Amino acid sequence: GAGVSQSPSNKVTEKGKDVELRCDPISGHTALYWYRQRLGQGLEFLIYFQGNSAPDKSGLPSDRFSAERTGESVSTLTIQRTQQEDSAVYLCASSLGVGFGGELFFGEGSRLTVL
Amino acid sequence: SQQGEEDPQALSIQEGENATMNCSYKTSINNLQWYRQNSGRGLVHLILIRSNEREKHSGRLRVTLDTSKKSSSLLITASRAADTASYFCATDADNAGNMLTFGGGTRLMVKP
Repeated sequence: GAGVSQSPSNKVTEKGKDVELRCDPISGHTALYWYRQRLGQGLEFLIYFQGNSAPDKSGLPSDRFSAERTGESVSTLTIQRTQQEDSAVYLCASSLGVGFGGELFFGEGSRLTVL
Repeated sequence: SQQGEEDPQALSIQEGENATMNCSYKTSINNLQWYRQNSGRGLVHLILIRSNEREKHSGRLRVTLDTSKKSSSLLITASRAADTASYFCATDADNAGNMLTFGGGTRLMVKP
């Protein structure tokens, strides 16, 4: 498709289980971002990938959170041993990267509910 | 704390009125962007203003930037019910490697 695609759109899991969220960025976009948005709140930065550079992981809230990106394509965000406070919408965005103005294109998000 | 903070947090107006939202930030920036988010959806880019620009227009949108005060405003003129959404500012700090930091947003309701 032409836009950023995220899956699953909704995920309900039990506390303690691991979850994996997937993001397919726009083809040719070298930059990819993950953000977390709690209900009624702003976006909390999690991690940023730019080309083949080492990712900026400064926003990951704990070592239960990790993310990978295969080259300049798909990214997965993994949350291990989920907790109720992990419940949120996880938004992925991509852009053309440094030097191209910085406009982000967002997916529709993955809504995670931890029971 | 957030790099960008929007003010007010919520705004309710009648259709046809103008809506003004403000954003303050803390560090030097390369550019500032405004995004819109409809309920339950992803964010959509509205407008980008660079640090050397003071004002920019796009349709019914007008954005200003005052780097001396580290603030920006988004004005939506002649508002419509369809403008109801949350609006976020995002800054590209000049020492942050093109990473965007978002504020908490302004929830705008336009009553028909």
